[in-house]
Amino acid sequence: EVQLVESGGGLVQPGGSLRLSCAASGFTFSTYNMNWVRQAPGKGLEWVAVISGSGDNTNYADSVKGRFTISRDNSKSTLHLQMNSLRAEDTAVYYCASRYYSSGSSLGAFDIWGQGTMVTVSS
Amino acid sequence: DIQMTQSPSSLSASVGDRVTITCRASQGISNYLAWYQQKPGKVPKLLIYAASTLQSGVPSRFSGSGSGTDFTLTISSLQPEDVATYYCQKYYSAPPTFGQGTKVEIK
Repeated sequence: EVQLVESGGGLVQPGGSLRLSCAASGFTFSTYNMNWVRQAPGKGLEWVAVISGSGDNTNYADSVKGRFTISRDNSKSTLHLQMNSLRAEDTAVYYCASRYYSSGSSLGAFDIWGQGTMVTVSS
Repeated sequence: DIQMTQSPSSLSASVGDRVTITCRASQGISNYLAWYQQKPGKVPKLLIYAASTLQSGVPSRFSGSGSGTDFTLTISSLQPEDVATYYCQKYYSAPPTFGQGTKVEIK
């Protein structure tokens, strides 16, 4: 069974750091681009970052560029999001997601999602 | 960046009604458009990709159309289990932007 399980969320003070993880299982992790998508309470979906299967290429939303770093450990089938200089507006549920089942561009149309992990930035 | 504008932001319809949600891109995106359904408290679910291709397992009452800048998600006969927020997403180029969402309720 294809599965993504996030962890690492919690309460952090403004300016603090947090590292999220997403454990993948049931598929050949290293061959798929992986994304982080977030959703602030009561708000819509916001794409955060993507990393290629090899880990060589990354891209970020302008809102997190320079503060967040996406990485992956293919030997452990794990995706990470290092979040630094956190702000109140980073408060959200963070999902890892990818395009696995359907064919086509892997830039979007995410058909596998984790259950999400909540990050709260507050003093 | 290409912006995605969804309308309406919310709607209320009766069971059995035909429901249409539109998504407009600020620039042409060919058919690189996806639609998602997110039920309250749940994870987003992919309904349609490539503007009109139904994801496996999605009921046939859902359909998508459009190309270029204007796209439509149609529910041919609204069911109680379709209460959710629906999002479009363009993936023609990075960033893969989502629309702001359309909340669908039963009247």
